[in-house]
Amino acid sequence: KAGVTQTPRYLIKTRGQQVTLSCSPISGHRSVSWYQQTPGQGLQFLFEYFSETQRNKGNFPGRFSGRQFSNSRSEMNVSTLELGDSALYLCASSSNRDEQYFGPGTRLTVT
Amino acid sequence: KQEVTQIPAALSVPEGENLVLNCSFTDSAIYNLQWFRQDPGKGLTSLLLIQSSQREQTSGRLNASLDKSSGRSTLYIAASQPGDSATYLCAVFHYSGGGADGLTFGKGTHLIIQP
Repeated sequence: KAGVTQTPRYLIKTRGQQVTLSCSPISGHRSVSWYQQTPGQGLQFLFEYFSETQRNKGNFPGRFSGRQFSNSRSEMNVSTLELGDSALYLCASSSNRDEQYFGPGTRLTVT
Repeated sequence: KQEVTQIPAALSVPEGENLVLNCSFTDSAIYNLQWFRQDPGKGLTSLLLIQSSQREQTSGRLNASLDKSSGRSTLYIAASQPGDSATYLCAVFHYSGGGADGLTFGKGTHLIIQP
């Protein structure tokens, strides 16, 4: 069974731009969660999608948004990028709030 | 607000030793607890999942225990090997008024196994 895939793996953007990251979950998994990892704050929960609906959201500004498609693939969008958005963005898939399987992450650098 | 603490933050031991990593959490209303390892610049690899009704789980040389009432979990690694060198993360999936809030992670234990 293929694992969680994330694209792109690396991104360099300029302040003020927007970015879209993609996550394909394990086949059959309907839940996709997104996390931000930084050296200072560690891993923080962004939001979770289940069957195309946002089920929960962490404490991030509205510049961070996401969506999920009918095939469970999910995208995360960050608008008006700030230097502090530089991080490793990880997505995780699960069948429904049980064992979480993480992808390799997208390394975003904002200059 | 759920908080997860991992002790120690870093650990360096010679190959072959048995070791214990500690994790504590402040809110016992958890759905499950999961241990991960992360290699530098990589994603997270799931090691063990313990449901809130379980006391322990084992996989190979790894054994994780859970004491929900005291808010503690330990990860025991037997006969450590250099390939075990990584950062180990503990995370809890807990309930709040609005439902489960996603995983709350500790800061991790950076483990180095000396050959």
